[in-house]
Amino acid sequence: QVQLQESGPGLVKPSETLSLTCTVSGGSISSYYWSWIRQPAGKGLEWIGRIYTSGSTNYNPSLKSRVTMSVDTSKNQFSLKLSSVTAADTAVYYCAREGSGNYDGWVDYWGQGTLVTVSS
Amino acid sequence: EIVLTQSPATLSLSPGERATLSCRASQSVSSYLAWYQQKPGQAPRLLIYDASNRATGIPARFSGSGSGTDFTLTISSLEPEDFAVYYCQQRSNWPRRVFTFGPGTKVDIK
Repeated sequence: QVQLQESGPGLVKPSETLSLTCTVSGGSISSYYWSWIRQPAGKGLEWIGRIYTSGSTNYNPSLKSRVTMSVDTSKNQFSLKLSSVTAADTAVYYCAREGSGNYDGWVDYWGQGTLVTVSS
Repeated sequence: EIVLTQSPATLSLSPGERATLSCRASQSVSSYLAWYQQKPGQAPRLLIYDASNRATGIPARFSGSGSGTDFTLTISSLEPEDFAVYYCQQRSNWPRRVFTFGPGTKVDIK
């Protein structure tokens, strides 16, 4: 059973860079797309972007200028950096796997989510 | 950018009743639409993909239909564990893959 676990600071100061890592266990990180999705408290889901194990990325156009994703296949991890954060970036951040085959394009595994608060 | 709208925002029903949730896309997404269920404090769970296919382990009371711009998620007879928020999601491929989610429909107990 594939499991995803987010890790990183729960508090980030305004204008600084939010950094999160997702560790994948129970399966290989190879040959899948891996996404970051966030959810402000009481609100809906926002897709941030995705990365393939080759390093190829797609980002949400509304966040593209501030987002960088990377992958470390040797550690079965992928990461998110979001720069110049403001209070509007406060949210639960989920890492997730995009399925393959029939599930191509759909998220079949999610992390439990981690709350990141932007505040001084 | 494709925008998804969901209606109603809240649906108040009793266990055993039928729930009908709507998702509308601002332009055609063909059948590239999924539905997710989210319970408080939990990550979403994939219910339906490609508009009408149930994901592994999803009960038969959940069904999806539609194509193009109009989609429906139906829960034939609500069980207590079905009271949750439901999101639709589309994936567009041109000029590059982008995912968007609808704002959600909350199904609560009447």
